[in-house]
Amino acid sequence: DSGVTQTPKHLITATGQRVTLRCSPRSGDLSVYWYQQSLDQGLQFLIQYYNGEERAKGNILERFSAQQFPDLHSELNLSSLELGDSALYFCASSIGTEVKETQYFGPGTRLLVL
Amino acid sequence: AQSVTQPDIHITVSEGASLELRCNYSYGATPYLFWYVQSPGQGLQLLLKYFSGDTLVQGIKGFEAEFKRSQSSFNLRKPSVHWSDAAEYFCAVGGYGGSQGNLIFGKGTKLSVKP
Repeated sequence: DSGVTQTPKHLITATGQRVTLRCSPRSGDLSVYWYQQSLDQGLQFLIQYYNGEERAKGNILERFSAQQFPDLHSELNLSSLELGDSALYFCASSIGTEVKETQYFGPGTRLLVL
Repeated sequence: AQSVTQPDIHITVSEGASLELRCNYSYGATPYLFWYVQSPGQGLQLLLKYFSGDTLVQGIKGFEAEFKRSQSSFNLRKPSVHWSDAAEYFCAVGGYGGSQGNLIFGKGTKLSVKP
């Protein structure tokens, strides 16, 4: 158990809908990362937050947005969903912002868009 | 741009045999390199990481990796594989160095273990 929690575990929805994925980092970690794992693209970095502020952006679509709240939990919002958004979405957390710090991954949220 | 290549999509080894998983990276400066393991239905767990110093890095679960700058490689090894090592293994490079923490992953190598 990494100490990172993600809810829900599974999500099934329809095209055009909007969903929110939630992540609670390990106690004491200030950075939260979101990654998308799909069969064709592999594991891709989406976005990083540190202590409530956006820190780095990767291949995140404009239909996707995220935020980190004062209690440090984070939410990833996916809107106007398409079939291709079906994937496993991971959240990871680390103490700070440096790449040398260990990132602890949650179990993921599996999203299926029908 | 940084990139990671794992040439082997799937490898099968017998239990007790040695293992080497290949990883090649593309990065201009000294890379930050990682190996993660993903068991079925689980998140990713860090096996080991390399930043500088000794090029042979020891990790958890009996794994080690060797950084070879001349070959741009960071191969993962284990002298004797156990059935519980069956999983998918991902090599990663740190995105932009010290101030940004995101990782760039390879496509992964799935390891199957024969009894």
